Amino acid sequence: QVTLRESGPALVKPTQTLTLTCTFSGFSLSTSGMCVSWIRQPPGKALEWLARIDWDDDKYYSTSLKTRLTISKDTSKNQVVLTMTNMDPVDTATYYCARYIAARDAFDIWGQGTMVTVSS
Amino acid sequence: QSVLTQPPSVSAAPGQKVTISCSGSSSNIGNNYVSWYQQLPGTAPKLLIYDNNKRPSGIPDRFSGSKSGTSATLGITGLQTGDEADYYCGTWDSSLSAGLVFGGGTKLTVL
Repeated sequence: QVTLRESGPALVKPTQTLTLTCTFSGFSLSTSGMCVSWIRQPPGKALEWLARIDWDDDKYYSTSLKTRLTISKDTSKNQVVLTMTNMDPVDTATYYCARYIAARDAFDIWGQGTMVTVSS
Repeated sequence: QSVLTQPPSVSAAPGQKVTISCSGSSSNIGNNYVSWYQQLPGTAPKLLIYDNNKRPSGIPDRFSGSKSGTSATLGITGLQTGDEADYYCGTWDSSLSAGLVFGGGTKLTVL
């Protein structure tokens, strides 16, 4: 059974750096074709893709947020970490991690999401 | 403003059929596979359709997907009250602003 779980702070202050961890089980990120992405959703708004890391350590970022994002993986711990710098209240959202299958071009399994509020 | 355009809302009666459109361009839908996601209130999105028209295991055949040119469509037949949710299309965009893109979402109301 494949599962993903997001963890991180529920509240961050403006200008701070957000660090989120996605801990997964049921698959290996060293297996060809496996990828993990981060997606966020502000309250009442649409999904927004943030970043993706692949089994071969290729990384892709949202063009609009590229300068603020870093994605990395620890294959031995089955974790993917996303950092976002210079947080702003507009970054308040539920942050999801999801498994992306390259062969299917789709997010097949999603975590439950973690709500992050940016406020002083 | 989303790269992919979906109608904000659709509605239909139980048992009826509804379609949700997703319009893009040659840099995204026109040259890449489309996936569809269902997001029930207060929950994470769930994959309904991948590769334009394939259903993952466990997704009933009431849900279907199609693609033509730079547009894609999600169809739902035999509507149930439990289908009330937000639906999102997604695909890869190969333009200068390359990345995964989603539609703005469509709220389905089953009257």
